[in-house]
Amino acid sequence: GQSLEQPSEVTAVEGAIVQINCTYQTSGFYGLSWYQQHDGGAPTFLSYNALDGLEETGRFSSFLSRSDSYGYLLLQELQMKDSASYFCAVNDAGNNRKLIWGLGTSLAVNP
Amino acid sequence: DVKVTQSSRYLVKRTGEKVFLECVQDMDHENMFWYRQDPGLGLRLIYFSYDVKMKEKGDIPEGYSVSREKKERFSLILESASTNQTSMYLCASSSRRPQHFGDGTRLSIL
Repeated sequence: GQSLEQPSEVTAVEGAIVQINCTYQTSGFYGLSWYQQHDGGAPTFLSYNALDGLEETGRFSSFLSRSDSYGYLLLQELQMKDSASYFCAVNDAGNNRKLIWGLGTSLAVNP
Repeated sequence: DVKVTQSSRYLVKRTGEKVFLECVQDMDHENMFWYRQDPGLGLRLIYFSYDVKMKEKGDIPEGYSVSREKKERFSLILESASTNQTSMYLCASSSRRPQHFGDGTRLSIL
């Protein structure tokens, strides 16, 4: 089957850098996505990696290593508003319209 | 910007009722999805649709059905609501990627 693992909780302080890891097991691979969800809100798309390497979008970067079945989301210059849940997801190898989701990482940013 | 609109933000229904959750998207996306989200369980796919009148079961379809009569609208139906269907329900749409989500419906079954 297909599955993803990510830490359940991460805590950091304002201004710091935090890395949220995601490892996946899948029979076929199309890409790794990251979504952010604030409490009570809808998940919103952050980034997508189909090829190895680092993608940077402002304070957020996402990395992929297909040989290691591993990716991470890097959040720099943390702000209180970054407190949220972060989900990694891969396209379903059987039907790539669908996503297989990790259980999410709850990030708490403290002053 | 893509807009995915769910008909209700909060909904309270009684056990045994037939419940309809509506979702409308304005970007002509072919794919639409219904998820439920429970603490510690992440997002679980109930059903999805890749075209009008086409649907596929997700991971937890039992107790649910769906309808897609028009491209922009995807309805989730709880045939006979039960207390274990109390949850947050999220609708999403996509063309290729990413998935765009509505604000969710927090459904309570009493």
